[in-house]
Amino acid sequence: ETGVTQSPTHLIKTRGQQVTLRCSSQSGHNTVSWYQQALGQGPQFIFQYYREEENGRGNFPPRFSGLQFPNYSSELNVNALELDDSALYLCASSFQGGAPNEQFFGPGTRLTVL
Amino acid sequence: DQQVKQNSPSLSVQEGRISILNCDYTNSMFDYFLWYKKYPAEGPTFLISISSIKDKNEDGRFTVFLNKSAKHLSLHIVPSQPGDSAVYFCAVTSGNTPLVFGKGTRLSVIA
Repeated sequence: ETGVTQSPTHLIKTRGQQVTLRCSSQSGHNTVSWYQQALGQGPQFIFQYYREEENGRGNFPPRFSGLQFPNYSSELNVNALELDDSALYLCASSFQGGAPNEQFFGPGTRLTVL
Repeated sequence: DQQVKQNSPSLSVQEGRISILNCDYTNSMFDYFLWYKKYPAEGPTFLISISSIKDKNEDGRFTVFLNKSAKHLSLHIVPSQPGDSAVYFCAVTSGNTPLVFGKGTRLSVIA
């Protein structure tokens, strides 16, 4: 069974640039959720993708967008990067309708915006 | 406004003793509560959970207690081991709503 993987591990961008982060879900899972973990904070829900469509969104602006592919992998795109976007971005995969404790997290992508 | 609060940013405990991590939540609609453990350079890993119909759940050295009237839960680790040193996050949810996390408590278990 393959776990949740994310790429890249680290990324450095400058203000105003765009970034794409990638997530491969665990085998058998059809739902991907993205979280932002700023320094000293807990993970904060960005959005969830199921059946290739956004299925719930947290309090994040539209410049945060995503995609889910037929193989259930997912991308998080952030446009017009701001300094406050510097954070660890976590994705978590699950099976839609599964128990809350059946969500598995990847190791994260650390984004630094200069 | 924080819906989930972990008021102790850090906790230091001697090996073999009990570690108690605390978490408070504000919304009585939350009905499922989880603890995650996070090591550096890894994602959070599920540790233990409890539903609102229970007040205690035990799994080996880990026990979670829920006090619904106080909107408070705690995680007890007995005995604490050096490998337990990590950041612990409390998370809450209601039905299929996204997880809401606290800020975490960094536990250091000293040998």
